[in-house]
Amino acid sequence: ETGVTQTPRHLVMGMTNKKSLKCEQHLGHNAMYWYKQSAKKPLELMFVYNFKEQTENNSVPSRFSPECPNSSHLFLHLHTLQPEDSALYLCASSQGRQGQSPLHFGNGTRLTVT
Amino acid sequence: GQQLNQSPQSMFIQEGEDVSMNCTSSSIFNTWLWYKQDPGEGPVLLIALYKAGELTSNGRLTAQFGITRKDSFLNISASIPSDVGIYFCAGVMDSNYQLIWGAGTKLIIKP
Repeated sequence: ETGVTQTPRHLVMGMTNKKSLKCEQHLGHNAMYWYKQSAKKPLELMFVYNFKEQTENNSVPSRFSPECPNSSHLFLHLHTLQPEDSALYLCASSQGRQGQSPLHFGNGTRLTVT
Repeated sequence: GQQLNQSPQSMFIQEGEDVSMNCTSSSIFNTWLWYKQDPGEGPVLLIALYKAGELTSNGRLTAQFGITRKDSFLNISASIPSDVGIYFCAGVMDSNYQLIWGAGTKLIIKP
């Protein structure tokens, strides 16, 4: 399997649930990212990891908790979300920093919070 | 925060027509990127531009890095049904290497 793989593709959860999104990249890249995509808006960068270390957290609420156990895997743990958190969550990877190397995206997890 | 103004927001065109979209900003960029997102998939890089004035083609797609370094455009010639999707511009700011995204242009081809 190649590229960036995200699971699940779709997720419906209540506001009191706890769930996790998973991302795996098979490209040998050093950096991984979580983005939030809402309709008709620019992609919103949430978290950046370089060599497993978090290097950026763009003022994301604590109900979103990332985890990067190694350079190939990235998780986003979700708890007590709000309906406005419903969106497409995209994982991406790059060889170097995102401003210097192209991003490779997964197909996203469509999250609906009820 | 910094913004890229991408226009138009959406386009309804006939198959075979040429398409043009652009991104502008008040900030200076050292890289411009154009991505396409097909329905149900993540964005895929189409063209990368690294130098002011650069004109680069990828098949029927042509993109240019504006000479002022504050804008870029993407043209698609002779559109076909598989061109439908959302096209995003993204720019790397010269001041801090931050990657900024446009809000996308949704391309719809009229049957």
